[in-house]
Amino acid sequence: DTGVSQNPRHKITKRGQNVTFRCDPISEHNRLYWYRQTLGQGPEFLTYFQNEAQLEKSRLLSDRFSAERPKGSFSTLEIQRTEQGDSAMYLCASSHSGVTGELFFGEGSRLTVL
Amino acid sequence: QKEVEQNSGPLSVPEGAIASLNCTYSDRGSQSFFWYRQYSGKSPELIMFIYSNGDKEDGRFTAQLNKASQYVSLLIRDSQPSDSATYLCAVTRGSRLTFGEGTQLTVNP
Repeated sequence: DTGVSQNPRHKITKRGQNVTFRCDPISEHNRLYWYRQTLGQGPEFLTYFQNEAQLEKSRLLSDRFSAERPKGSFSTLEIQRTEQGDSAMYLCASSHSGVTGELFFGEGSRLTVL
Repeated sequence: QKEVEQNSGPLSVPEGAIASLNCTYSDRGSQSFFWYRQYSGKSPELIMFIYSNGDKEDGRFTAQLNKASQYVSLLIRDSQPSDSATYLCAVTRGSRLTFGEGTQLTVNP
């Protein structure tokens, strides 16, 4: 395992459905981040974990979004009752706690809500 | 006011020229400053970081930081077509990394 892995890479869903994305970080990294990116914009912070603890969550994040990182390994991001405005690329990144800001990103999961 | 603002671009330079990318940030408590590069359809990748006022050079890249002016820049010398990408400025406060909108750079052969 040489990088951050995300799946599915693409998800098309109908409005109102729930979707879940999975992220497997670099194994020795204890921090895991979720970002959302839309076309022409920079990545927008959603939430971050240190080990299994969710330490910060964006105030802009709807309560339809929930993230978990059981056992401090992989993480899941669930979006309930999807809306068209949720269509975006969801990026996961991991880092070592000793180097804040040096993030290694996965390839992303692209969500399209019809 | 956005936390991180970048010159909107797009920026176009000829091959071999110097490309200058600028960024300002609003939070004086920001601690560290990063430049990420994002090729079209790809994820961001870190190219440089700077913590202290002044310049930091790494090959053809130089990052500049002025905390008093809350200003960060990235200079790319001898620009190559392979440098064509979107450059994202990012700052940390605590453990959160906040990105700007990015500046799209095109280097013309």
